Amino acid sequence: EAQVTQNPRYLITVTGKKLTVTCSQNMNHEYMSWYRQDPGLGLRQIYYSMNVEVTDKGDVPEGYKVSRKEKRNFPLILESPSPNQTSLYFCASSLSSEGAYEQYFGPGTRLTVT
Amino acid sequence: RKEVEQDPGPFNVPEGATVAFNCTYSNSASQSFFWYRQDCRKEPKLLMSVYSSGNEDGRFTAQLNRASQYISLLIRDSKLSDSATYLCVVNPRNTGKLIFGQGTTLQVKP
Repeated sequence: EAQVTQNPRYLITVTGKKLTVTCSQNMNHEYMSWYRQDPGLGLRQIYYSMNVEVTDKGDVPEGYKVSRKEKRNFPLILESPSPNQTSLYFCASSLSSEGAYEQYFGPGTRLTVT
Repeated sequence: RKEVEQDPGPFNVPEGATVAFNCTYSNSASQSFFWYRQDCRKEPKLLMSVYSSGNEDGRFTAQLNRASQYISLLIRDSKLSDSATYLCVVNPRNTGKLIFGQGTTLQVKP
């Protein structure tokens, strides 16, 4: 089944404790992206990657890191999480970085930082 | 001004009603437009792309007005299962960097 998977789905952590949220897709998609969704603010892009070893900042990259060492995986790293990073996170992928292609989203990761 | 703006609603309509959502975008050079549907904090899923000539998929019709920089979504004969949040999405520079509106919430009541 073609899909985007994220782990963990739910995470409660404390300020300053490094964490990684994994994202993997099995559709051989070139493009992958991370978003966060907050009430009243909608979905905002954190980082995106147009291909292996190519990443770029989205609209809200502060406090996050990403890497794209292989095509299928695009982990999101929070080196020192803070409470303002409490949010619902979505990973997405699409066939190409060209705009007309549908983005497929993972099921989301609900992160709480205390 | 936000790059993509939607009326958040909620729109409360009875079953069988016709309802329309509008979405405005600020970048006149935007190339690609979409409507996504999101159920109760689940992942967004593509409902339909929006083409310059307008397009229809069953009870759903999407239209693009480049001159006024808005797109619309019309839902006819609303069903209970249409209750969701509808996200207007614009690709302003055709790079895959999508800009999402805040979403419009639709509640269809029996």
